[in-house]
Amino acid sequence: DVKVTQSSRYLVKRTGEKVFLECVQDMDHENMFWYRQDPGLGLRLIYFSYDVKMKEKGDIPEGYSVSREKKERFSLILESASTNQTSMYLCAIQGVGVEAFFGQGTRLTVV
Amino acid sequence: KQEVTQIPAALSVPEGENLVLNCSFTDSAIYNLQWFRQDPGKGLTSLLLIQSSQREQTSGRLNASLDKSSGRSTLYIAASQPGDSATYLCAVRGSSYKLIFGSGTRLLVRP
Repeated sequence: DVKVTQSSRYLVKRTGEKVFLECVQDMDHENMFWYRQDPGLGLRLIYFSYDVKMKEKGDIPEGYSVSREKKERFSLILESASTNQTSMYLCAIQGVGVEAFFGQGTRLTVV
Repeated sequence: KQEVTQIPAALSVPEGENLVLNCSFTDSAIYNLQWFRQDPGKGLTSLLLIQSSQREQTSGRLNASLDKSSGRSTLYIAASQPGDSATYLCAVRGSSYKLIFGSGTRLLVRP
């Protein structure tokens, strides 16, 4: 079974905090993605990485950064959390020519 | 710019019915199309992946078809069950790494 593990199911953080969301895979896939999902807006790509230390901005990168120091781990960082970053965050992996797999999601609330 | 549309947005059927969910996309230059299922508050579960060279894929009671020239895919669910109730999302992958998602069809199968 493919495993994409996100570090937390639920998080509550205060405005201005630095927040780390971690994603770990056990499939050795090259590509890893961070999406956020909001009612009425669907899934939107924040950042993706196609190799260690490589990253590219997605559609909504503002207010976020990422880190990929090892192939199996992709971290999403909220530099200074704001209430408009309250959302469901989803990590995904995809190898070349194969299906994408998602983690269980992290419901982040910023108060 | 690729756009993915799913119709209907919501569907309610009695148990046992066969049903079809629709997905359309504007740019036929895709590498593959993937169908996902999402239960409330959870991540996405991969159902079927169709490569651009394929016409259909089957898994159990699910059958997905792809017509690239017309920019359409359908997901056929046979003999629906209450456990099939979920949101179904389709996503296409083009020449870039990212998946472009539709907004989903929310399915309710009534006992």
